[in-house]
Amino acid sequence: QVQLVESGGGVVQPGRSLRLSCAAAGFTFSSYAMHWVRQAPGKGLEWVAVTSYDGSNKYYTDSVKGRFTISRDNSKNTVYVQMNSLRAEDTAVYYCARGRPAMVTYLDYWGQGTLVTVSS
Amino acid sequence: EIVMTQSPATLSVSPGERATLSCRASQSVSSNLAWYQQKPGQAPRLLIYGASTRATGIPARFSGSGSGTEFTLAISSLQSEDFAVYYCQQYNNWGTFGQGTKVEIK
Repeated sequence: QVQLVESGGGVVQPGRSLRLSCAAAGFTFSSYAMHWVRQAPGKGLEWVAVTSYDGSNKYYTDSVKGRFTISRDNSKNTVYVQMNSLRAEDTAVYYCARGRPAMVTYLDYWGQGTLVTVSS
Repeated sequence: EIVMTQSPATLSVSPGERATLSCRASQSVSSNLAWYQQKPGQAPRLLIYGASTRATGIPARFSGSGSGTEFTLAISSLQSEDFAVYYCQQYNNWGTFGQGTKVEIK
């Protein structure tokens, strides 16, 4: 069955960096776009970034452009998000989610999430 | 950016009753609309995509309708496990979510 397992969350000071990972299993990883979605404490869902199935195309929500970088390693069935210049407002649970072969689509499987807390 | 607006923010329903949730887009998203359910401490779960197609394993009591800018999620007879927060998402132009509707026990 499809499994997505995030890791890498934790407490980080403002301005610092963090890299999240999402290990996938149970499907042909290299055939699907992969997304990151976040949820601030007590708030709703916010789509963050997407990478195409082969990593050649990437898109970001405006609030993270220039600070976050999504990438993937299809040989390791893993998608990453490198988060630089972190701000307090980046505090959230970060979920990775499977899209479809197309980039702009619904999200049919989600990981359990990893919490990122940006605080001094 | 397409803004998604859900109503009501909270819906109080008795078990066995019908619940109707609304989602409105600031511009047409065609039928590129999904619904998700989220329970406390859990990840969202896909319920509906393409505005009206149930995802794998989703009970028939969940149904979606609408196109363009107006969408509805109906739950025909609420079960105890259906009390949760529901989000709509448009994927016509990247992906933006509504703010959610909490379905609580009346």
